[in-house]
Amino acid sequence: SAVISQKPSRDICQRGTSLTIQCQVDSQVTMMFWYRQQPGQSLTLIATANQGSEATYESGFVIDKFPISRPNLTFSTLTVSNMSPEDSSIYLCSVSQGRTGELFFGEGSRLTVL
Amino acid sequence: GENVEQHPSTLSVQEGDSAVIKCTYSDSASNYFPWYKQELGKRPQLIIDIRSNVGEKKDQRIAVTLNKTAKHFSLHITETQPEDSAVYFCAADQGAQKLVFGQGTRLTINP
Repeated sequence: SAVISQKPSRDICQRGTSLTIQCQVDSQVTMMFWYRQQPGQSLTLIATANQGSEATYESGFVIDKFPISRPNLTFSTLTVSNMSPEDSSIYLCSVSQGRTGELFFGEGSRLTVL
Repeated sequence: GENVEQHPSTLSVQEGDSAVIKCTYSDSASNYFPWYKQELGKRPQLIIDIRSNVGEKKDQRIAVTLNKTAKHFSLHITETQPEDSAVYFCAADQGAQKLVFGQGTRLTINP
């Protein structure tokens, strides 16, 4: 499976600031996704990162709050904008690989907003 | 859209016993059902999956069963070991390789 690297792995942020998370994959992948995992909760899909076009957001998530870039088939960024304590979560990059489309996750970026 | 319900939320079993986690889904168009294991502070790891063209799949001590008519699928772990302790998530696809996850089951194996 692909090696998926995320950074930062964790950060403590001040309310009202923005933070960009980077996701790097060691091979070209068609599908990249961003998930959120709030403390003690399940995983929720934020958006599909589309190469060369605007991301596709799920219900409840908007581009102004979570702008996403995907300049090529191996890299994507997620920005969490104007953060509040409710944004404290783990943000996970994931990729779909192979003919059967299994989904693999990066290590996650744990954000704490004070 | 797809909705996935997972039970139980917590499960405690004695080492060596079996553990069963159950999930139901709502969208009959779903045809891919993976299971993930997440250890504390780690990423979710795919442990087994099943597609709608089969009813059961086994990999050593873990197995998954699928009942498409009833729209439910289950994870079975036999001969449990302490390293099986983790949170387990079921999921169902909602098209375009996107997954909807269940709420998770915290499994504890007691020595």
